[in-house]
Amino acid sequence: GAVVSQHPSWVICKSGTSVKIECRSLDFQATTMFWYRQFPKQSLMLMATSNEGSKATYEQGVEKDKFLINHASLTLSTLTVTSAHPEDSSFYICSARDFRGLRGNTIYFGEGSWLTVV
Amino acid sequence: AQSVSQHNHHVILSEAASLELGCNYSYGGTVNLFWYVQYPGQHLQLLLKYFSGDPLVKGIKGFEAEFIKSKFSFNLRKPSVQWSDTAEYFCAVNAGSNTGKLIFGQGTTLQVKP
Repeated sequence: GAVVSQHPSWVICKSGTSVKIECRSLDFQATTMFWYRQFPKQSLMLMATSNEGSKATYEQGVEKDKFLINHASLTLSTLTVTSAHPEDSSFYICSARDFRGLRGNTIYFGEGSWLTVV
Repeated sequence: AQSVSQHNHHVILSEAASLELGCNYSYGGTVNLFWYVQYPGQHLQLLLKYFSGDPLVKGIKGFEAEFIKSKFSFNLRKPSVQWSDTAEYFCAVNAGSNTGKLIFGQGTTLQVKP
């Protein structure tokens, strides 16, 4: 079963509003999670590294004030798209790495969240 | 900066044909390498990974990949594809050891005709 879960799976919002996407590690603690973005027919692009208890590290070209990341607990990171515009419509995916146990340093991806801004 | 290149953007095969998808990366240090698959309408799933040891890695669903350090390559193979293998395949490299940060290739769309 899924070990990293995202919610919501899809969301439609009006232009100018904000939307929050959650990423949870279900049975392990993730001090670090990652947020990616995937445009249709394109590859995944890393947006930011979410660090539990500290500020996120953003990749070059990603607006920090637009994509707010909060990693308040060891099992939850949230991505908030603020003042969303149609060009923010995309597929957002999170991942987390399980350093422990039998899984052997595996990186798990969430199911992804489709955001459509109208 | 690290980069990953997948040479085949769109591959069309008939069932039972053999598959090889190319993946090259640019990074001079120790790398962890991954192949992910994304079936239509589904999330990314790990096919296989290489961290160390035997450079020939076997994954799920009959896939395997070979790490050739001298060629900076990690090509994905399957001896006989099935219609259900139709999906998008992504090669990825760990951007620095012991992090979960991945750099992805552009992806290869595999279409298997029944």
